[in-house]
Amino acid sequence: DADVTQTPRNRITKTGKRIMLECSQTKGHDRMYWYRQDPGLGLQLIYYSFDVKDINKGEISDGYSVSRQAQAKFSLSLESAIPNQTALYFCATAPRRGGNEQFFGPGTRLTVL
Amino acid sequence: LAKTTQPISMDSYEGQEVNITCSHNNIATNDYITWYQQFPSQGPRFIIQGYKTKVTNEVASLFIPADRKSSTLSLPRVSLSDTAVYYCLVGDVSPYSGAGSYQLTFGKGTKLSVIP
Repeated sequence: DADVTQTPRNRITKTGKRIMLECSQTKGHDRMYWYRQDPGLGLQLIYYSFDVKDINKGEISDGYSVSRQAQAKFSLSLESAIPNQTALYFCATAPRRGGNEQFFGPGTRLTVL
Repeated sequence: LAKTTQPISMDSYEGQEVNITCSHNNIATNDYITWYQQFPSQGPRFIIQGYKTKVTNEVASLFIPADRKSSTLSLPRVSLSDTAVYYCLVGDVSPYSGAGSYQLTFGKGTKLSVIP
């Protein structure tokens, strides 16, 4: 969905480097999410946020941190990247009252060498 | 945490109706069932969501039996462009419902291949 953008779209980095993935949305949604997807697998929730002051861990938060700088922006950081964090990362948004209808960004393909 | 189970893959011919079932035996009272479609290298796209009985929209129907331990996504008259991975998501729609921790669980998905 063009209303949810992710930067960069592709990134190759080395073990031990700090990496930040950014997500921006123009949908005016309160809820934002970060997921990771490994080849052939489903999506795993890393972190989620329901407003600027709200940050919550998902099922696989170890090794990651997030920042909700504004309603429209939600960043994911890998403090010290490791090879098994190589994956496709998706940001998603949802309105406060929309059930689980989420709107996904195009994804960031991250490779950690 | 409601675990979901789906068939790994399915094949169908163009024009046929396709039914994909998701099992979620320990679904919680506040959990809704949501289905997504994903094409390669794209983010998932919402298809349909329901709580019980039947829900229908312009692209699909969702059937949920009374015990809610499974659900079936029905795609009428599929075309080649419906070839994709379909995910079943079970989770509480709000962290404010008072039902406990807010959790979302995506299944591993069903790869649907539509054959000409």
